[in-house]
Amino acid sequence: AQKITQTQPGMFVQEKEAVTLDCTYDTSDPSYGLFWYKQPSSGEMIFLIYQGSYDQQNATEGRYSLNFQKARKSANLVISASQLGDSAMYLCAMREPSYNQGGKLIFGQGTELSVKP
Amino acid sequence: NAGVMQNPRHLVRRRGQEARLRCSPMKGHSHVYWYRQLPEEGLKFMVYLQKENIIDESGMPKERFSAEFPKEGPSILRIQQVVRGDSAAYFCASSPWDSRSGNTIYFGEGSWLTVV
Repeated sequence: AQKITQTQPGMFVQEKEAVTLDCTYDTSDPSYGLFWYKQPSSGEMIFLIYQGSYDQQNATEGRYSLNFQKARKSANLVISASQLGDSAMYLCAMREPSYNQGGKLIFGQGTELSVKP
Repeated sequence: NAGVMQNPRHLVRRRGQEARLRCSPMKGHSHVYWYRQLPEEGLKFMVYLQKENIIDESGMPKERFSAEFPKEGPSILRIQQVVRGDSAAYFCASSPWDSRSGNTIYFGEGSWLTVV
């Protein structure tokens, strides 16, 4: 069965420093997609970054980059130059194209990031 | 373009009442997913619907919960006889066509149900 694991329930980082949030996944399908979302205290889901399993390069979006290590089945999120506004819950998710399941997302438990001034 | 619209944003129900949560997908999207997020947890898949069809309801509780996506109008997640454990955020997401890969899934802002 598909599975997403985020082993860090909470993380602290100093403002302006970089931080890596861990995510590992398990799937037997060669075609899949990996997502990271930010969920601030207001609750909405904010899409950050996407990586397809066949993408040759690691995805980047501004200060966000995804360290995709396919053989290790890991998709860690790196946030560079942390800002106070980065304090939030971060959710890793995988989309697997199961033909009877329509490509739903499977989420990890999340990592609560706190940025210290 | 309007995104995925959910309403109400906040809903308070007494134990035993019914809760109805609505989701209007993005324009042109005919696939809807419902997720539930309990406090301090990640999102859990509940149900996947296409117009007039339930495709995957493997995450739906067996009793009191139902979902529909009619030919016209929004998708509805219905919870009958609510209990305190139903208190959660309910997120809807939509996707175009039968897209099983790619960055093609869009979330609404969520509906927060509180059962008192």
